[in-house]
Amino acid sequence: GAVVSQHPSRVICKSGTSVKIECRSLDFQATTMFWYRQFPKQSLMLMATSNEGSKATYEQGVEKDKFLINHASLTLSTLTVTSAHPEDSSFYICSARDAEGPPNTEAFFGQGTRLTVV
Amino acid sequence: SQKIEQNSEALNIQEGKTATLTCNYTNYSPAYLQWYRQDPGRGPVFLLLIRENEKEKRKERLKVTFDTTLKQSLFHITASQPADSATYLCALRVYGGSQGNLIFGKGTKLSVKP
Repeated sequence: GAVVSQHPSRVICKSGTSVKIECRSLDFQATTMFWYRQFPKQSLMLMATSNEGSKATYEQGVEKDKFLINHASLTLSTLTVTSAHPEDSSFYICSARDAEGPPNTEAFFGQGTRLTVV
Repeated sequence: SQKIEQNSEALNIQEGKTATLTCNYTNYSPAYLQWYRQDPGRGPVFLLLIRENEKEKRKERLKVTFDTTLKQSLFHITASQPADSATYLCALRVYGGSQGNLIFGKGTKLSVKP
């Protein structure tokens, strides 16, 4: 199956600093990528939809100035958590669909990034 | 309000038995429903997809049913093995939702004891 690579898998940062998370589709092109956040024992919650070459679409309650998304190419989307605070500590996961694949099929997920803000 | 519920947070079964996990939803009209496996500290891995006009899907030891009248999907693992221990997530994609935008349940953590 298609592979989505997410980096880093774990990161610890100081409160007030920024952290960038990368999501790459390795063997397919993804015009759309999705960023989720998952708290312990909770479901994945969609944060934003990242569209190649255009602005991301954010879900209600997600601050676009805090969670900056850039989707500069068909294989790379980045999520930057700016001025991170301890409450931003969570598991962040990206997913992507094959732009050339049939619609209404499965999503491919990255391995996730565990962010801890101290 | 809209809900997707996996009504067992955890399920413990003996090796060799069939595990049955439940996913119920309310106030959604899903185009299709998917099941994913998630291991600790990892992203979800796709297992099966079933469309609204399908009753049942099978893949090796896995079977999924979809009852749009009951608004329920059942996920079965037959001849379960300790390696099947993981959290299983159900996810819906609804009509009108953006491609790939899935709504997830909280998951059921399955433990298969040898």
